[in-house]
Amino acid sequence: DTGVSQDPRHKITKRGQNVTFRCDPISEHNRLYWYRQTLGQGPEFLTYFQNEAQLEKSRLLSDRFSAERPKGSFSTLEIQRTEQGDSAMYLCASSLEGAGGISPLHFGNGTRLTVT
Amino acid sequence: SQKIEQNSEALNIQEGKTATLTCNYTNYSPAYLQWYRQDPGRGPVFLLLIRENEKEKRKERLKVTFDTTLKQSLFHITASQPADSATYLCVPTGTASKLTFGTGTRLQVTL
Repeated sequence: DTGVSQDPRHKITKRGQNVTFRCDPISEHNRLYWYRQTLGQGPEFLTYFQNEAQLEKSRLLSDRFSAERPKGSFSTLEIQRTEQGDSAMYLCASSLEGAGGISPLHFGNGTRLTVT
Repeated sequence: SQKIEQNSEALNIQEGKTATLTCNYTNYSPAYLQWYRQDPGRGPVFLLLIRENEKEKRKERLKVTFDTTLKQSLFHITASQPADSATYLCVPTGTASKLTFGTGTRLQVTL
């Protein structure tokens, strides 16, 4: 179990630029989540995938944000025309959802985005 | 709307004492409640899950209670150590796939 990995760990970009983050989940996990976290707050849900299908998006997610999970493996999160308010830690998590019960989330260590 | 309240102020305790963190929730009827630990610059790490029909759950030095009448969970760390210093996040969990995290309580254990 190599855990959830995210790349890059840090990204500094200028306002108006596009950025893309990558997440590699635990290989046997079928669910993948993206969260955003700002200082002093808990992680805030953005979107999640069951295999390759994107099943839910937060209403807070503007149309500048898009996520994909081709082939149900790794995922990318793209932010277009970045704004200073997008500065945050972007966290990816995965889980193995089965027939019943709750499966805890396994988080990566995030990508810290700074928009200048 | 659903609301989760955790102490926003840091909890400072002395090594060896028991730390007790509180999580209150409103407009929720979660079937489960999870606790995660988060260190600075890292992602949260799952610690414990308790079901609504369980009053208490233990794991090593950790103990969690879940009172569905009071809509409250208490998280205890006994014989606390400086290595327990971190932010602890409460996550009431229902059938919805997305999880809503509390803001967390920062615990500082001093020598």
